[in-house]
Amino acid sequence: DAKTTQPNSMESNEEEPVHLPCNHSTISGTDYIHWYRQLPSQGPEYVIHGLTSNVNNRMASLAIAEDRKSSTLILHRATLRDAAVYYCILRPLSSGAGSYQLTFGKGTKLSVIP
Amino acid sequence: DAGVTQSPTHLIKTRGQQVTLRCSPKSGHDTVSWYQQALGQGPQFIFQYYEEEERQRGNFPDRFSGHQFPNYSSELNVNALLLGDSALYLCASRDSSSYEQYFGPGTRLTVT
Repeated sequence: DAKTTQPNSMESNEEEPVHLPCNHSTISGTDYIHWYRQLPSQGPEYVIHGLTSNVNNRMASLAIAEDRKSSTLILHRATLRDAAVYYCILRPLSSGAGSYQLTFGKGTKLSVIP
Repeated sequence: DAGVTQSPTHLIKTRGQQVTLRCSPKSGHDTVSWYQQALGQGPQFIFQYYEEEERQRGNFPDRFSGHQFPNYSSELNVNALLLGDSALYLCASRDSSSYEQYFGPGTRLTVT
């Protein structure tokens, strides 16, 4: 399985933008890039995913490098509620309805300073 | 609309015992996956159920088994518990046509 590399931890001031990097140099052409986050004492929650183009949703933006060897999750204005562990995950193109697993690394622990 | 629910929330077992954890998927979801999360680590995939069959399995021994019922709910069974099985066990569900997985709050298992 292709692997991802993320910084162990990052800090951000409240109400400032946050850029969370992820390197995935061995990504294959059919791997989707997913981001999940895990707030303290909760299960992970989906944030965003993409394949080649940049993506935006209500939670965040995902910027994908042209060679797809790296990506950046962008939180436009960090709030205290965004303090969590953020996981960058590569998901192979599904071969069937039952074929879907997420391979989590250790993620990046984001601290938000008031 | 209830999300993914898991029971119990906490459990303490003794080494060698057996345990059953339960999961009810989000309404409308037909695929359930189980993950084990040790302290300070990311979740590790155990297996996935769809149409009442195990479809994929991670690198876990046969002591870990599961079941999916016709109403899509699922159970995770662990036999002959080891101290190393102490972890947070997470259930995730999704619609088989969707990419997004929804996770429950987990069951914290402590083996003494």
